[in-house]
Amino acid sequence: QQNVQQSPESLIVPEGARTSLNCTFSDSASQYFWWYRQHSGKAPKALMSIFSNGEKEEGRFTIHLNKASLHFSLHIRDSQPSDSALYLCAVTITGNTRKLIFGLGTTLQVQP
Amino acid sequence: GGIITQTPKFLIGQEGQKLTLKCQQNFNHDTMYWYRQDSGKGLRLIYYSITENDLQKGDLSEGYDASREKKSSFSLTVTSAQKNEMAVFLCASSKTNTGQLYFGEGSKLTVL
Repeated sequence: QQNVQQSPESLIVPEGARTSLNCTFSDSASQYFWWYRQHSGKAPKALMSIFSNGEKEEGRFTIHLNKASLHFSLHIRDSQPSDSALYLCAVTITGNTRKLIFGLGTTLQVQP
Repeated sequence: GGIITQTPKFLIGQEGQKLTLKCQQNFNHDTMYWYRQDSGKGLRLIYYSITENDLQKGDLSEGYDASREKKSSFSLTVTSAQKNEMAVFLCASSKTNTGQLYFGEGSKLTVL
């Protein structure tokens, strides 16, 4: 049974700061790792994914994955007020990658 | 591009009532999902379907039924509404098996 945990639960940072969000999972054989972002009152949208150990950068966003440590993270460089949202990490189930399990989320507020 | 349409956007029912939420997608995706989101927190999987007439239970399926009569539509029924299941219900679809889901805007359930 996949168990996905996120930390911190909420975070307030000043504009321009570097922000780090964390996610742990319980199954080291998991294959696909995602971060979704949900602005208030809106639908969650896929933000970034990583499928193998290491790092992946897209613009101001970077994902790190360490399967041995059962941990992946999202880092936001030069945080903007528009980044304020609920960030959800998600991991697929080993042997059934159509089943996606989400964490409880981290609420990020970026203050101008 | 495509869109996922959930109806109704707001649903109010009485305790013990049977209530149905509907979801339509025009992505032509094979897999569809129903998630429940409580108080703006994480998503919990209720049901998913990998093709027409297929149903797979998620971790939160008790108290719910689902139906996938067409590839483009997926409905969710709350069999006996309870006050502790007031939440936003999110429908999603996916083409791949790598965890990239496309979500609708949600249906908010209120139980009186």
